[in-house]
Amino acid sequence: EVQLVESGGGLVQPGGSLRLSCEVSGFTLSSYSIHWVRQVPGKGLEYVSGANNNGINKYYGSSVKDRFIISRDDSKNTVYLQMDSLRPEDSAIYYCAREGRGVGDYFDYWGQGIVVTVSS
Amino acid sequence: DIHMTQSPSSLSASVGDRVTITCRASQSIINYLSWYQQTPGKAPKLLIYGASTLQSGVPSRFSGSGSGTDFTLTISSLQPEDFATYYCQQSYTTPPWTFGQGTKLEVK
Repeated sequence: EVQLVESGGGLVQPGGSLRLSCEVSGFTLSSYSIHWVRQVPGKGLEYVSGANNNGINKYYGSSVKDRFIISRDDSKNTVYLQMDSLRPEDSAIYYCAREGRGVGDYFDYWGQGIVVTVSS
Repeated sequence: DIHMTQSPSSLSASVGDRVTITCRASQSIINYLSWYQQTPGKAPKLLIYGASTLQSGVPSRFSGSGSGTDFTLTISSLQPEDFATYYCQQSYTTPPWTFGQGTKLEVK
């Protein structure tokens, strides 16, 4: 069974840092690209970051570029999102998602989400 | 960035109704379009990819169509579990990919 499980969220002060983890199981991580998508409760979905299967190509949304860094450790079946210089507007539910391998690019499996709150 | 616009933003319908949701891209995205369903407190669930390919395990009452800039998600006969929020997403460009603002499907 494919599973993605996020951890590392919580409450942090503005300007602070958090590292989210996405531990996967049920598939070979090294064969898949993994992405992060966030959602303010009651609002829409926003693309945050992604890394392709070999970790060479990394992508970032404009609102997080130069503050967030994505990395992956396939030996630990885990993808990380290092979030620095956090702002109140970064408060959201963060989902990690696997990129499918059919026609086009899409997210075929999602984690349950982890809450990040940036507040003093 | 490619902007995705869904219509309507909300929709009231009854069990058994046929429902259509539209997604328009600000430029051609060929068929790089996916649809997701999200219920409260849950992660989004993939329904359709490649504009019209049904994800494994998704009921056949869901269908997708379109190409270029205009796409539709149709539910042929609404079931109680279909009341949810639906999002389209484009993946024509390299990431960051963009989502539509969502369509909330409510009970009439």
